[in-house]
Amino acid sequence: GQQVMQIPQYQHVQEGEDFTTYCNSSTTLSNIQWYKQRPGGHPVFLIQLVKSGEVKKQKRLTFQFGEAKKNSSLHITATQTTDVGTYFCAGPSGTYKYIFGTGTRLKVLA
Amino acid sequence: NAGVTQTPKFQVLKTGQSMTLQCAQDMNHNSMYWYRQDPGMGLRLIYYSASEGTTDKGEVPNGYNVSRLNKREFSLRLESAAPSQTSVYFCASSGRGLDPYGYTFGSGTRLTVV
Repeated sequence: GQQVMQIPQYQHVQEGEDFTTYCNSSTTLSNIQWYKQRPGGHPVFLIQLVKSGEVKKQKRLTFQFGEAKKNSSLHITATQTTDVGTYFCAGPSGTYKYIFGTGTRLKVLA
Repeated sequence: NAGVTQTPKFQVLKTGQSMTLQCAQDMNHNSMYWYRQDPGMGLRLIYYSASEGTTDKGEVPNGYNVSRLNKREFSLRLESAAPSQTSVYFCASSGRGLDPYGYTFGSGTRLTVV
């Protein structure tokens, strides 16, 4: 069945360093979504990418959708302690639902 | 505040006991979902309801049943709880199945089966 994998599973960075998480799908995606989950919290929607090669920015976060629409990345510039959490990508599976990636847990050391 | 409300927030069950997790949304969303989250496994879809009156299995439906009671409410039932069902359960909703504004999640139910 369809699988969405993320790497790395964990990442520890010093505050101010950059961070990137990668999302890879076993199938071509019509779109991809990203979510953030703070420790002890629930996932919160960040953004959706639709077009091949699309790049979107939200302040220090840069999201990219691969040319083949099978992979995506989230890059955070100059991490802050508020960036701590787990980042998930999600790809459509059929018409009505999304399959979530395994997530990347980010820890930021002050 | 508008959103997705889950009850209870915490629950401890003995093996073999049954319980129902409740979920309600007040955003007039058509689609609702139940996910479970386990360490290192991400979010796995248990069941979903694309619209009122319909329910379908997700990736891990065994041991669970659901009811879409009305447009607002979507409940998840464990008929005979097992330790393997220890997890954090999230309910989510969206305007439609592949909503460009994403899913809105509830705050979760932390379930322990002993």
